[in-house]
Amino acid sequence: AQTVTQSQPEMSVQEAETVTLSCTYDTSESDYYLFWYKQPPSRQMILVIRQEAYKQQNATENRFSVNFQKAAKSFSLKISDSQLGDAAMYFCAYRRAFDWGATNKLIFGTGTLLAVQP
Amino acid sequence: NAGVMQNPRHLVRRRGQEARLRCSPMKGHSHVYWYRQLPEEGLKFMVYLQKENIIDESGMPKERFSAEFPKEGPSILRIQQVVRGDSAAYFCASSPGTESSGANVLTFGAGSRLTVL
Repeated sequence: AQTVTQSQPEMSVQEAETVTLSCTYDTSESDYYLFWYKQPPSRQMILVIRQEAYKQQNATENRFSVNFQKAAKSFSLKISDSQLGDAAMYFCAYRRAFDWGATNKLIFGTGTLLAVQP
Repeated sequence: NAGVMQNPRHLVRRRGQEARLRCSPMKGHSHVYWYRQLPEEGLKFMVYLQKENIIDESGMPKERFSAEFPKEGPSILRIQQVVRGDSAAYFCASSPGTESSGANVLTFGAGSRLTVL
């Protein structure tokens, strides 16, 4: 069974600084997708970034980028130029690649609570 | 596009009552997923439905919980005879019905918070 581990329950960063959130996963699959979701106090789940396992290039979305190390099964999120609005719970998630007729459910880690200090 | 709509946002029930949570997927989405988030935990998959079909219910508790997604209307997650341990946030997510690149991205609703007294 696939598992996702986030070993940092809480992190803190100064405004305008850079922070990296860690995520590791375990799977025997070779093709899959990885995601980072943000959950602010409103509790809305917001997709931050996604990575296809078959792509070697790390995904980037504005100030958010990932360091995807497939062999190490590591998928960290880097937030550059941190802003107060980045304060939230961040969840790493895994999903198998499509297999027809089967579920494409997400498996989530336990989350990292990020505080941004002004 | 209104996104994924869930209601009620907050629901309070006494032990033994029934809870019904509703989810309207994004326009054009025909796949619906329900997740549960217990306090201080990540989201856990419960059930995956398409119109009139349950595709995967491997995360659903065996008793008291049921889900449906009728041909017309929203998806419903129903919890009978609620207990305090059912207190959680219940999230619905949807995705397109085609095997396109967008199909692997789930759009979440804002969640329904159930409190059982």
